Amino acid sequence: AQTVTQSQPEMSVQEAETVTLSCTYDTSESDYYLFWYKQPPSRQMILVIRQEAYKQQNATENRFSVNFQKAAKSFSLKISDSQLGDAAMYFCAYRSEDSGTYKYIFGTGTRLKVLA
Amino acid sequence: NAGVTQTPKFRILKIGQSMTLQCTQDMNHNYMYWYRQDPGMGLKLIYYSVGAGITDKGEVPNGYNVSRSTTEDFPLRLELAAPSQTSVYFCASSSRPGRQVYQPQHFGDGTRLSIL
Repeated sequence: AQTVTQSQPEMSVQEAETVTLSCTYDTSESDYYLFWYKQPPSRQMILVIRQEAYKQQNATENRFSVNFQKAAKSFSLKISDSQLGDAAMYFCAYRSEDSGTYKYIFGTGTRLKVLA
Repeated sequence: NAGVTQTPKFRILKIGQSMTLQCTQDMNHNYMYWYRQDPGMGLKLIYYSVGAGITDKGEVPNGYNVSRSTTEDFPLRLELAAPSQTSVYFCASSSRPGRQVYQPQHFGDGTRLSIL
């Protein structure tokens, strides 16, 4: 069975600084997606960035980028130039492609605090 | 542009009562999912459906039932409410994911359920 682990329950960053959130996963599958979701206090689930396992190039979306290490099964999120609006819970998620069920598995989350 | 609509937004139940959480989507999505999010935790998959008439268990199905008689609707039923089912419930949907074709998962706003 696949698992997703986020070992940092909480992180803090100064406004305008850079922070990296960690995620590791375990799978025997070769084809999958990885995601980072943001959940602000409003409870909305907002997709931040995604990474296809078959792509070696790390995904980037404006100030957000990932460091995808497939062999190490590591998928960290880097937030550059942190803003107050980045404060939220961040969830790492895995989606299976091999089985055809496309089920998602979420980590336990990292609460990010942004200090002014 | 409704997307995924969940009702109710909040509910308090007494132990042993039953209720149905409603979820409907207007995007003609085949795939629908029910998650629960316990305080300070990530989302756990309860049930999912890959199309009308087809449902399957996720990680934490005990105490719940689902049905999928139409493409649009995917209700979640709690038969005998227990305090352990106090949680926030999210419904989500997506088009059929395809290999190397990304289809985003759309989330509802969640239902906060308390069982006393």
